[in-house]
Amino acid sequence: EAGVAQSPRYKIIEKRQSVAFWCNPISGHATLYWYQQILGQGPKLLIQFQNNGVVDDSQLPKDRFSAERLKGVDSTLKIQPAKLEDSAVYLCASSLDHGPEAFFGQGTRLTVV
Amino acid sequence: SQELEQSPQSLIVQEGKNLTINCTSSKTLYGLYWYKQKYGEGLIFLMMLQKGGEEKSHEKITAKLDEKKQQSSLHITASQPSHAGIYLCGAGYYGQNFVFGPGTRLSVLP
Repeated sequence: EAGVAQSPRYKIIEKRQSVAFWCNPISGHATLYWYQQILGQGPKLLIQFQNNGVVDDSQLPKDRFSAERLKGVDSTLKIQPAKLEDSAVYLCASSLDHGPEAFFGQGTRLTVV
Repeated sequence: SQELEQSPQSLIVQEGKNLTINCTSSKTLYGLYWYKQKYGEGLIFLMMLQKGGEEKSHEKITAKLDEKKQQSSLHITASQPSHAGIYLCGAGYYGQNFVFGPGTRLSVLP
């Protein structure tokens, strides 16, 4: 079974630039999550989708972050414009239901300089 | 998150030694989950504990949930270099999102 795919693996951008991350969940998984993990901390949930609808985006900084999940499959997370404090690993995960027994991708490591 | 604390923050052990990582919740737990993360990579689900006193094992890793104390322990027996990584506990709380602890970084010296 293919796992959760994320791209790119690494990205370095200058502050105020824009960046987008892509996630392809495990086939058939209705729930998709985006997490932000700052170095030395545990992952923090940014947004949760159930199919193509948003279940929770309460911790998403909506002035600069946006996410979409068209057709309830792939998802993209965008940051515009990026700030230095956005440097982190962005993890995508998917699960069959709302449970946290989710499968994680390898993450995208973003460095904002 | 402040709901979950982990100790120690980091741990260095000699190969073959046993070790324990603790996760303590500030609120009543409805389930406690353990994940392992290699540096710079995604999380690997290890175990889920739901009932007080529940204990689960996978290979040389054993996790136990003490619901009364609102804490869980993860014990590794005869550690190996392959056990190295960051161990994260996670929990779901009533009316809240699922949250993770800050993680415990484990290094195993050959």
